[in-house]
Amino acid sequence: QAVLTQPPSASGTPGQRVSISCSGSSSNIGSNTVNWYQQLPGTAPKLLIYSNNQRPSGVPDRFSGSKSGTSASLAISGLQSEDEADYYCATWDDSLNGPVFGGGTKLTVL
Amino acid sequence: QVQLQESGPGLVTPSQTLSLTCTLSGGSISSPSYYWTWIRQPAGKGLEWIGRVYTSGSTKYHPSLKSRVTMSIDTSKNQFALELSSVTAADTAVYYCARARRGYTDGLEAYYFDYWGQGTLVTVSS
Repeated sequence: QAVLTQPPSASGTPGQRVSISCSGSSSNIGSNTVNWYQQLPGTAPKLLIYSNNQRPSGVPDRFSGSKSGTSASLAISGLQSEDEADYYCATWDDSLNGPVFGGGTKLTVL
Repeated sequence: QVQLQESGPGLVTPSQTLSLTCTLSGGSISSPSYYWTWIRQPAGKGLEWIGRVYTSGSTKYHPSLKSRVTMSIDTSKNQFALELSSVTAADTAVYYCARARRGYTDGLEAYYFDYWGQGTLVTVSS
């Protein structure tokens, strides 16, 4: 069972804006920054957002992240078919003294 | 261009030891800025952090695997390695090596994996 809670699925139509939530606790999201990873089918995860809202070079600004209290959110605007993937949130957990992941959200572009 | 590549047997017999190596290219494994990490993903499931090794050789493992995991680093070969002993079918997964960066943002811990290997499937079966 994942430490961080994500909805198992999300969907949207091309051009739409979708949001994926990630819920944790005071020992993880509440006291550390959140990262998001995109995993396209059959490939390794790729860093999408780090430190709550920072995009690595090459990641389109259609992707944005935010954090409030013990929850975080990934937003994708102008949804495209190539955004169909699994998305994972992650952060440091002070109790585990290590990084933890959410269970992943499968995004379907209808 | 930083690249990580896992290598090792794709099939391991139950109760034996799983051994994988990750080779870094396009960078130095001796850099003090990074932690070298192993993460696994069972088929159709989420990601699980196994542990990490630092350039000094210091290690940190997930508590649930700590009794069975050993990680090491070979700076002369730009490689780091994972050994997982007494494997069972539950250890069947895609194993990824990754580079972790650690810092602080607005006083909060920032820890993320910025480069990943392509992953290697390890099946535990007789």
